[in-house]
Amino acid sequence: GIQVEQSPPDLILQEGANSTLRCNFSDSVNNLQWFHQNPWGQLINLFYIPSGTKQNGRLSATTVATERYSLLYISSSQTTDSGVYFCAVTGAGGTSYGKLTFGQGTILTVHP
Amino acid sequence: ETGVTQTPRHLVMGMTNKKSLKCEQHLGHNAMYWYKQSAKKPLELMFVYNFKEQTENNSVPSRFSPECPNSSHLFLHLHTLQPEDSALYLCASSQPAGLELTGELFFGEGSRLTVL
Repeated sequence: GIQVEQSPPDLILQEGANSTLRCNFSDSVNNLQWFHQNPWGQLINLFYIPSGTKQNGRLSATTVATERYSLLYISSSQTTDSGVYFCAVTGAGGTSYGKLTFGQGTILTVHP
Repeated sequence: ETGVTQTPRHLVMGMTNKKSLKCEQHLGHNAMYWYKQSAKKPLELMFVYNFKEQTENNSVPSRFSPECPNSSHLFLHLHTLQPEDSALYLCASSQPAGLELTGELFFGEGSRLTVL
């Protein structure tokens, strides 16, 4: 099956700093989502971005499908950005049935 | 309020108990999913329902029994669980795009299960 690798595994920032999280995937995809998992466990949708670039406030994401990677940018980080960030993909071709394959996540800690 | 709600949020059960997790989505989606998140492991897909029909069982042990009475509700019946089944169980829904469910997934808040 498709493999998803996220880097870095852990990231510690001072409030106000910028950061880039990376997601590499091993095959073509027709779905790629970025999530933020809050301390209570809920996965919050950040972006649905199988290709192209999107921005939402301080967050933006870019997926270069032909090179099989996606980047999540966090600017002017805040303590509330702390948590685990997941990249998840559905491989293209065949019957995907919404089978998201998750990366192992990036644990982000933002200090005041 | 999220579009996908799960109850209970926390559940503690013994290995001989029978319990159920409930998921309800208010998004008008036709596909629903159960995912499992164990400590130190990536999220794993368990089951997929498309228009109330089960279309995926990812080799899940029979002590987990899903039920989808309609497109808005999904249950996970639990029986004779093991301590290693302790995990966060996440429900999700999506709107299928054509014949393939390539739509965006939306998750509930999760049910944290502890098996003693």
